[in-house]
Amino acid sequence: DAGVIQSPRHEVTEMGQEVTLRCKPISGHNSLFWYRQTMMRGLELLIYFNNNVPIDDSGMPEDRFSAKMPNASFSTLKIQPSEPRDSAVYFCASSPGQATYEQYFGPGTRLTVT
Amino acid sequence: DQQVKQNSPSLSVQEGRISILNCDYTNSMFDYFLWYKKYPAEGPTFLISISSIKDKNEDGRFTVFLNKSAKHLSLHIVPSQPGDSAVYFCAARSSGTYKYIFGTGTRLKVLA
Repeated sequence: DAGVIQSPRHEVTEMGQEVTLRCKPISGHNSLFWYRQTMMRGLELLIYFNNNVPIDDSGMPEDRFSAKMPNASFSTLKIQPSEPRDSAVYFCASSPGQATYEQYFGPGTRLTVT
Repeated sequence: DQQVKQNSPSLSVQEGRISILNCDYTNSMFDYFLWYKKYPAEGPTFLISISSIKDKNEDGRFTVFLNKSAKHLSLHIVPSQPGDSAVYFCAARSSGTYKYIFGTGTRLKVLA
């Protein structure tokens, strides 16, 4: 089992540029989560998908952030335009079901916006 | 407003001794708690969980204690090993929800 796959692992971009982060959940998992980790706020849930449908996007900080899940094996998180305060580690996680307690995390994407 | 707090950002323990990591929460509706371990450049990995109907759960060297009246849980690692050096996150959720609230993490360093 390959686990949750995220790409790229590192992204450095200039303010104002568009950034797209990618995630492939574990096969068979029908719940997908995007998190952001910062020193000050720890791990924050940005958006949650169940069966490819966004269920809760209340954690998305502002309209510059958007996420899609076109199929069960792929999701993207896009930031347009990016700002320096978006610099953080972004994690994708999946779980086998909505009621399942454990989430499996990917290795994360470290984003730096200069 | 942090509903889940890990007030100790770091902790150092000698190999073979007990490590105790603490977590406090404010929401009395939380009924399920997890601990995750995170190594550098990796995602968090699940370690151990506890339901609010229990006050203790044990898995090998790892034991989680829950004190509902104090809204406090702790993770005990006995004996501590250098490979346990990592950042530990506690997380909590309310019954019937999918959303976990994470603490900010405690960095454990086990000294050989």
